[in-house]
Amino acid sequence: AQSVTQLGSHVSVSEGALVLLRCNYSSSVPPYLFWYVQYPNQGLQLLLKYTTGATLVKGINGFEAEFKKSETSFHLTKPSAHMSDAAEYFCAVSLLFGNEKLTFGTGTRLTIIP
Amino acid sequence: EAGVAQSPRYKIIEKRQSVAFWCNPISGHATLYWYQQILGQGPKLLIQFQNNGVVDDSQLPKDRFSAERLKGVDSTLKIQPAKLEDSAVYLCASNEPKLAEETYEQYFGPGTRLTVT
Repeated sequence: AQSVTQLGSHVSVSEGALVLLRCNYSSSVPPYLFWYVQYPNQGLQLLLKYTTGATLVKGINGFEAEFKKSETSFHLTKPSAHMSDAAEYFCAVSLLFGNEKLTFGTGTRLTIIP
Repeated sequence: EAGVAQSPRYKIIEKRQSVAFWCNPISGHATLYWYQQILGQGPKLLIQFQNNGVVDDSQLPKDRFSAERLKGVDSTLKIQPAKLEDSAVYLCASNEPKLAEETYEQYFGPGTRLTVT
C-alpha cells in the first residue's frame, strides 16, 4: 500500500521568498506523484505531476518539484512567493500500474506574509 | 470543455437524516471517483467506478453509504442515516484510463460541503 507524509501542516513565508513544501512517499511499486492546490471553497487543481522520465517537473504558477527516488521525496518549490499562492497544498501518490486511486497527504497550508 | 459538476454545493442536515450528492464527470471520462475530505485532512477515496462497475469500494462505510453510476455517466452518493462524523467535503473526480502517462490526470469538481448537526 502507498502512503504520503507532508511535513509541516502550516508554512509561512514572506512575499518574494522561497517556498518549500515537503512531501515523502511510501510505495512498493513505481509511483505516480502529484501536487494539488486547493483554494478556499474550491476543488483540487493539479499543479504538477511526475509519471516517468525527467525527475524535475515544472508546473503551473511557477512551481516545480523534483522526484528523488533515493530519498522517497517529491518536494514542491517556488523561487519567489506571491500573495496569490496562499492556499492548501496536497501531495498525492498513485500506482504506476494497477488501481490509479490517489492517496493524499494531510496537506500544508501556505500563508504569505506581505 | 466543461469540468466536473457537483450539486448541491452545501448541505446541512440533522444526524440520522438522509442526504444525496450528485456528480456529472467530464464527458467521455470512463473512471469516476468519490473522495471524502474531513476538515484538516487530505481527501480519502470512498469509491471508484470504471464505467458503471465498481473498481474499489474498500473504504466505503457500506452500512450507511451507497453509490451508483447506472449508465456509466453521472453518479449519486447517498448517506443514510448520517452521523456527526460524516461532516466533510465530498469531492467527485474523473479521468480517462491510463492511455498515455504524460496525459494522466484526475479532474476534481468543486465539492459538496456537508454539515451534520
